[in-house]
Amino acid sequence: SQTIHQWPATLVQPVGSPLSLECTVEGTSNPNLYWYRQAAGRGLQLLFYSVGIGQISSEVPQNLSASRPQDRQFILSSKKLLLSDSGFYLCACRDNYGYTFGSGTRLTVV
Amino acid sequence: GNSVTQMEGPVTLSEEAFLTINCTYTATGYPSLFWYVQYPGEGLQLLLKATKADDKGSNKGFEATYRKETTSFHLEKGSVQVSDSAVYFCALSGVYGGSQGNLIFGKGTKLSVKP
Repeated sequence: SQTIHQWPATLVQPVGSPLSLECTVEGTSNPNLYWYRQAAGRGLQLLFYSVGIGQISSEVPQNLSASRPQDRQFILSSKKLLLSDSGFYLCACRDNYGYTFGSGTRLTVV
Repeated sequence: GNSVTQMEGPVTLSEEAFLTINCTYTATGYPSLFWYVQYPGEGLQLLLKATKADDKGSNKGFEATYRKETTSFHLEKGSVQVSDSAVYFCALSGVYGGSQGNLIFGKGTKLSVKP
């Protein structure tokens, strides 16, 4: 079965600093990959999804970007963080067997 | 658009109490419905699912029935344990064309069970 490694678990960053969150997947190939965010008081919102290397689709306009340099690697980035980027970020993978989620990153922008 | 509305928490219960967490959805077509659970410090895990109307998903004593007439998928457990303390997410999928296949989540309900 597939496993998702997501790090770090918590992160505190100042406003205006860059961000890079990495997610790697094991035990599957050519999965669909997703980045979700949960802001305070809101549900899990889909930010980006990818159906293959170099293929990124964005669901909402925002201050973030995503990249998929390898089949099982999905990166969430920002050049300059905003206070509103604070939240809980989850990476997810979908293949023929269903969905698997990472353990998430709690990002606080101060 | 497609959405999931989930009972707001937090919910605090005593051990062996009956649990209901309400979930209703809005969707075109015939979505699949899921309950995910997130234990402290861990990722989301699939708890149960149902793929068509009147299906009942069940796992670890939890149950939920896909009710198309009321567009609901309420989570129930007859006797909760301290170890059930977690955040529970209702979700749907399958209403999109194409291959992105993402899940639409409710806001999550935090459950705390006291001994």
